[in-house]
Order: sequence, then C-alpha cells, then structure tokens
Amino acid sequence: AQSVTQLGSHVSVSEGALVLLRCNYSSSVPPYLFWYVQYPNQGLQLLLKYTSAATLVKGINGFEAEFKKSETSFHLTKPSAHMSDAAEYFCAALENRDDKIIFGKGTRLHILP
Amino acid sequence: EPEVTQTPSHQVTQMGQEVILRCVPISNHLYFYWYRQILGQKVEFLVSFYNNEISEKSEIFDDQFSVERPDGSNFTLKIRSTKLEDSAMYFCASSKEDGGNNEQFFGPGTRLTVL
Repeated sequence: AQSVTQLGSHVSVSEGALVLLRCNYSSSVPPYLFWYVQYPNQGLQLLLKYTSAATLVKGINGFEAEFKKSETSFHLTKPSAHMSDAAEYFCAALENRDDKIIFGKGTRLHILP
Repeated sequence: EPEVTQTPSHQVTQMGQEVILRCVPISNHLYFYWYRQILGQKVEFLVSFYNNEISEKSEIFDDQFSVERPDGSNFTLKIRSTKLEDSAMYFCASSKEDGGNNEQFFGPGTRLTVL
C-alpha cells in the first residue's frame, strides 16, 4: 500500500534561511504528489502538485518541490523563509486510478526571528 | 473565490451520542470526500462519494459512519454512536472530477470532541 513519510515532525529555520521539508513515498509507480499547507484554524491549502509533466514543480508563496524517482522523494524547498511561512505542511500522494489522498504525518515549520 | 465550508467549527458531544458534521462543497464539484485527523497523527481518508453513492471507503469507515447528500448543496457525515476515539478534526473536500490530476479542495475542518 502507498505510504508517505515526512522526516521531522518539527523544523525550525531562521527568517531568510533556506526551508527544506523532506518527503518520501513508497510506491514503485510514481503517484501524483502534493504538498499542502495548513495555517492555524484553517483548512488544507494546496501549495503545489506533481503530475509527471515536470520534475521541478513551482507552487505558491515561493515554494517549489523536485520529484526524484531514483530517491522516491518529493522534498519541498523555499530559498528564503518568511515569518508568514510558519504553518503545518503535509506531503501527500494519490495513485493514478484512485481518489483517496494518502497523507504524511505533517511537519510543523517554525520561523525564528 | 469559491471554497468548501464546514459547520460547526467545533462540536463537543457525549460518548454514545449521534453527531452530524456538515459540509457545503464547491457548487460545480461532483466528487466529495471526508478525511479525519486525530490529534498528532496523519490525515486519513474516510470515504469518497459520487453520484449519490459511496465510491470508496476506508476500514475506518465502519457501520457507525454514514454520508448523505440531502439536497443539492450539503454533504454530511453522521456518526451514530460516538466513541472517545472518534475525537478528531474532520475535513470535507470536493473536486470537479476524480483522479490525481484534479485538485481536491479542503474545508477548514470540524473539530469533534467526544467526552
């Protein structure tokens, strides 16, 4: 069964520093891959998604993620963290013929002033 | 911009009571979903619904759970006899079509607390 693993339940970075949130998936057939962000008391907002069109995917708020099949990874990055980036980030996968999204456990991003 | 809405934002109930969580999906969407997130754990799929019937459900979605689209706008999740372990955040989502190339839009969630 498909699974999604996020390394680190909490990540702290300084404002202006690089953000790197790690995600690995388990499927031998690359699924659709997503990153969602959840701000306090809000729903899940789609940051970006990989649908096999391009391995480097650009999303909203300056985030991007690179799909690496050899590493079964889909890490999320942002060159320069902003205080407003503090939130919970979820990596997720959806297999081609399926309609249920499989989520990772989430990583809470803390931005240090 | 259209969005998925959910009510109430927080529901507190006694163990054994029935609860109904309500969702209003985006108006031109045809596929509807419920997910839940127990505190400190991952978001888990519960059920998907299309054309007035369940299209897929997880092992979590047992006989205590049911979903309904009572009218053209609402999509509800009912838990018949709540248990302590049903305490979680419940997210509704909707999409225009199924499959990975179609975004599921999520609501803000309902936090259910079972005492």
